[in-house]
Amino acid sequence: GAGVSQSPSNKVTEKGKDVELRCDPISGHTALYWYRQSLGQGLEFLIYFQGNSAPDKSGLPSDRFSAERTGGSVSTLTIQRTQQEDSAVYLCASSSGVETQYFGPGTRLLVL
Amino acid sequence: RKEVEQDPGPFNVPEGATVAFNCTYSNSASQSFFWYRQDCRKEPKLLMSVYSSGNEDGRFTAQLNRASQYISLLIRDSKLSDSATYLCVVTEPNYGGSQGNLIFGKGTKLSVKP
Repeated sequence: GAGVSQSPSNKVTEKGKDVELRCDPISGHTALYWYRQSLGQGLEFLIYFQGNSAPDKSGLPSDRFSAERTGGSVSTLTIQRTQQEDSAVYLCASSSGVETQYFGPGTRLLVL
Repeated sequence: RKEVEQDPGPFNVPEGATVAFNCTYSNSASQSFFWYRQDCRKEPKLLMSVYSSGNEDGRFTAQLNRASQYISLLIRDSKLSDSATYLCVVTEPNYGGSQGNLIFGKGTKLSVKP
């Protein structure tokens, strides 16, 4: 596609439920990043993929968070047993290996 | 993880004004620097890279001072459409074969008024 796409654009869930967020990077981009942005806050790095491997998972806030990437393309961020503090915009970005990252529109997650 | 610090603002300026944003970073080994722009409820978009020699793109000028670990963005003749949050971004040094992650400041909010 022309840009990074994410789905769903909005997700409302109940506390304790699991959610899956999807990211389709720009075709051919080998690097993929997940960030989280809470209301009025800066971007918080979560995880980075190079191809299908994740050399840096240091930003994942707890073991309830996991991510995978298959075929060097689509990535899924899974949050298990969601908590209210997980409410945020989850942004995905991709890069061709040079430093500029292109962001998707984000998934707005609200945990009730 | 090292920090990138910015004045959160808001900066409220009239159209046509010149406004400057500053940013400091704490990791002296940081390699690349950028300004991103984020409109309300939208994703960040790259505004410009920042080079040691300074660089200009139309009304926008970016400067880097490595010795002071300081980055600036100057907007001349500001327009209503410049209203947004400006994010200072620094890459961590490459490690383990990865390309280095972007560390974002919390942003400076600019509001340009008629």
